[in-house]
Amino acid sequence: GDSVTQMEGPVTLSEEACLTINCTYTATGYPSLFWYVQYPGEGLQLLLKATKADDKGSNKGFEATYRKETTSFHLEKGSVQVSDSAVYFCALIRSNDYKLSFGAGTTVTVRA
Amino acid sequence: DTAVSQTPKYLVTQMGNDKSIKCEQNLGHDTMYWYKQDSKKFLKIMFSYNNKELIINETVPNRFSPKSPDKAHLNLHINSLELGDSAVYFCASSHSGRATDTQYFGPGTRLTVL
Repeated sequence: GDSVTQMEGPVTLSEEACLTINCTYTATGYPSLFWYVQYPGEGLQLLLKATKADDKGSNKGFEATYRKETTSFHLEKGSVQVSDSAVYFCALIRSNDYKLSFGAGTTVTVRA
Repeated sequence: DTAVSQTPKYLVTQMGNDKSIKCEQNLGHDTMYWYKQDSKKFLKIMFSYNNKELIINETVPNRFSPKSPDKAHLNLHINSLELGDSAVYFCASSHSGRATDTQYFGPGTRLTVL
């Protein structure tokens, strides 16, 4: 079945450090890939997405590139801020399906 | 205006009780979902409705019954609550359920069963 594996946390960084959260997937066909973010006490928000191979999603300084050859969708940000502290979820949905399959989530804490 | 809203935000109840969580979306979307997030933050789909029809029903105990009175609403009723039902329940919606659609999530309902 479909699965998403993401880097285990928690991750603690200093402000202005670089952040990378690894995400790899297993799925048949060509899924769409997503990064969702959950700020403390809130629901999930879409951070970025990519719907086909080699697409790059970007938002709020975060980027991720859909790499079919390595079945990966790693999330990167060059300079994090305290406000980026949150739980980040990698997710996929197959082209003939309705449900998102989520990774386990990575908790990121950015210290001033 | 809140796009996807849920009520209540917090729900504390005793084992064996029956409770409902309501969800409404004002985005004009055709597809709605219920997800469960456990204490380790793991998220899993429970149900999905498209145009009021059930299209996803994952391995969920039949004590859980979704109801969609119209496209804008998807409620979740839980009978005979158990301790293991304690979790955060998220409602979501998307335009048509296609893989490329973004799913928009509500703020969550934290259910605590004592």
